[in-house]
Amino acid sequence: GENVEQHPSTLSVQEGDSAVIKCTYSDSASNYFPWYKQELGKRPQLIIDIRSNVGEKKDQRIAVTLNKTAKHFSLHITETQPEDSAVYFCAASSGAGGTSYGKLTFGQGTILTVHP
Amino acid sequence: DAGVTQSPTHLIKTRGQHVTLRCSPISGHKSVSWYQQVLGQGPQFIFQYYEKEERGRGNFPDRFSARQFPNYSSELNVNALLLGDSALYLCASSWEGQYTGELFFGEGSRLTVL
Repeated sequence: GENVEQHPSTLSVQEGDSAVIKCTYSDSASNYFPWYKQELGKRPQLIIDIRSNVGEKKDQRIAVTLNKTAKHFSLHITETQPEDSAVYFCAASSGAGGTSYGKLTFGQGTILTVHP
Repeated sequence: DAGVTQSPTHLIKTRGQHVTLRCSPISGHKSVSWYQQVLGQGPQFIFQYYEKEERGRGNFPDRFSARQFPNYSSELNVNALLLGDSALYLCASSWEGQYTGELFFGEGSRLTVL
């Protein structure tokens, strides 16, 4: 089955700096890669996702890059703010036939702390 | 619009007991997935149901079972509870389609097994 590795486990940055979180996956059939943000005691919320036919996607201060050959994808947050502090999870799914997106394999999570 | 709703939000059980967790998906979503999130770890896939049929099962023992009803709501059942079953159980719904698939999570049911 799919295996997703996420690094680093903790990341501490100063407000305004950039943060980068990296993930690798094992199943070459995976074609959907979402990133979730989970605040303490809250549910995971999708912040950005990318599909295998795209190499990079940006949404304001957040960007995700995907390298299918190397089987890794990364989350980039620029101009970090204290409210970006949370746990971030990467995930992968094969999404075959449009009925498998519900089965995500998550990474172990990265605790991001943005210091004012 | 209401998001994914789960009940109960918190519950405490003792070893050997049985628990039923409930989930109502976002209106129009036909797929419901269940995840277990142990403290400090990422969510782990338990089941996916689509149009009332099981579409996927994660690496969980047979003590875990689920079903989806005609209105697309779902139940997760866990029998013979163990201490290690203590976790946040997340339900997620999605509108399955070729170019969609975003999972919308509920707030979860936090289960404590004593």
